[in-house]
Amino acid sequence: EDQVTQSPEALRLQEGESSSLNCSYTVSGLRGLFWYRQDPGKGPEFLFTLYSAGEEKEKERLKATLTKKESFLHITAPKPEDSATYLCAVQRNHFGNEKLTFGTGTRLTIIP
Amino acid sequence: DTGVSQNPRHKITKRGQNVTFRCDPISEHNRLYWYRQTLGQGPEFLTYFQNEAQLEKSRLLSDRFSAERPKGSFSTLEIQRTEQGDSAMYLCASSLADSYQPQHFGDGTRLSIL
Repeated sequence: EDQVTQSPEALRLQEGESSSLNCSYTVSGLRGLFWYRQDPGKGPEFLFTLYSAGEEKEKERLKATLTKKESFLHITAPKPEDSATYLCAVQRNHFGNEKLTFGTGTRLTIIP
Repeated sequence: DTGVSQNPRHKITKRGQNVTFRCDPISEHNRLYWYRQTLGQGPEFLTYFQNEAQLEKSRLLSDRFSAERPKGSFSTLEIQRTEQGDSAMYLCASSLADSYQPQHFGDGTRLSIL
């Protein structure tokens, strides 16, 4: 059974205070690891896909990295508009399998 | 690209009633997915279609749930004889038929059972 654990559950930062969110995963053959952002009352918004250990992706103040057991989402000098729940999901590399298995998310609050 | 559209956004119904939700995917996407999300949890996979064919169903999809995608475009998810435990956000996503393409989500239908 694929498993995804995200930590911390919640994180409060001052504006400009950089930090990292963690996603630990167990999957029998990883096809891809996905990061999404979710605002209250909205659906998840796609951020990044990582496919292999050592890969990194960046977008504005966000940078995602991947190892064989975990992924980190680094947030540099965050702004209040970065406040959201960040979800991590894995997809197993198995023929016919397209489902994403999600973690429970990290709720990030950036204080002005 | 108008995004994934879901209707209605909110549905309130009494226990035991039937409900139906609709999802319109991004126009060129031929894969369509349904997920369910409860408060404080991540989305849980229910089922997915490639064109008209329903290719995978989760054990979460009990026999009270049925999903269709009759012409390979929009999809409907019906829940019969609703129960309190069905209260959740029902999310639809779509993607291109390439296993390395990301799934793009709509804003969901929030179902509340009285």
